[in-house]
Amino acid sequence: QVQLQESGPGLVKPSQTLSLACTVSGGSISSGHNYWCWIRQPAGKGLEWIGCILTRGSTSGSTYYNPSLTSRVTISLDASENQFSLRLTSVTAADTAVYYCARDPGGNGYSNFDSWGQGTLVTVSS
Amino acid sequence: EIVLTQSPGTLSLSPGERATLSCRASQSVINNYLDWYQQKPGQAPRLLIYGASNRATGVPDRFSGSRSGTDFTLTISRLEPEDLAVYYCQQYGSSGYSFGQGTKLEIK
Repeated sequence: QVQLQESGPGLVKPSQTLSLACTVSGGSISSGHNYWCWIRQPAGKGLEWIGCILTRGSTSGSTYYNPSLTSRVTISLDASENQFSLRLTSVTAADTAVYYCARDPGGNGYSNFDSWGQGTLVTVSS
Repeated sequence: EIVLTQSPGTLSLSPGERATLSCRASQSVINNYLDWYQQKPGQAPRLLIYGASNRATGVPDRFSGSRSGTDFTLTISRLEPEDLAVYYCQQYGSSGYSFGQGTKLEIK
């Protein structure tokens, strides 16, 4: 089972860009058929899918975003660092949340998040 | 976009009782792409059930999932104190992933 660990600033100013990285250990981020994803959770609220990046042979690098966030989100992959990253632009207080990275091992014929990072709290405030 | 509606919002039961949690989809969920997660306080969610009825690795057989049309059910047959958590259903479809709003399970 792979392990995931989020990292990045815990405080971001309004209108600026939120940037987080997720480091994968216990396996190569480039091997197999996986969706590497970001999910967030405001305090006391439910889970919201942000987006994913796919690794699968020639289609590696394809990205999929929540339609409600697609204009502000970019997810990218750095195979040399075994990491994937999230950029969310023009943040407001509504983007304050715990951000999780997670894996969907899409190659198993199902769709589910079987591995999660511990989560990192990002607060948007001046 | 498929909307998942979970009920009840909160469920309060005693150890040893049976818990039945519901997740209703606004339209058909393709390929049984419906999963259940358990989130204990201060922790990341944990996959319990995938493909509507398959237990994830290490999940006790007290947990089971089922489907009837657009209605999905998570059943915990004999509650234990450590089952205190919020339970979420999640689906994957043409618009990506979406989660239900969660059911909070309280243990009396």
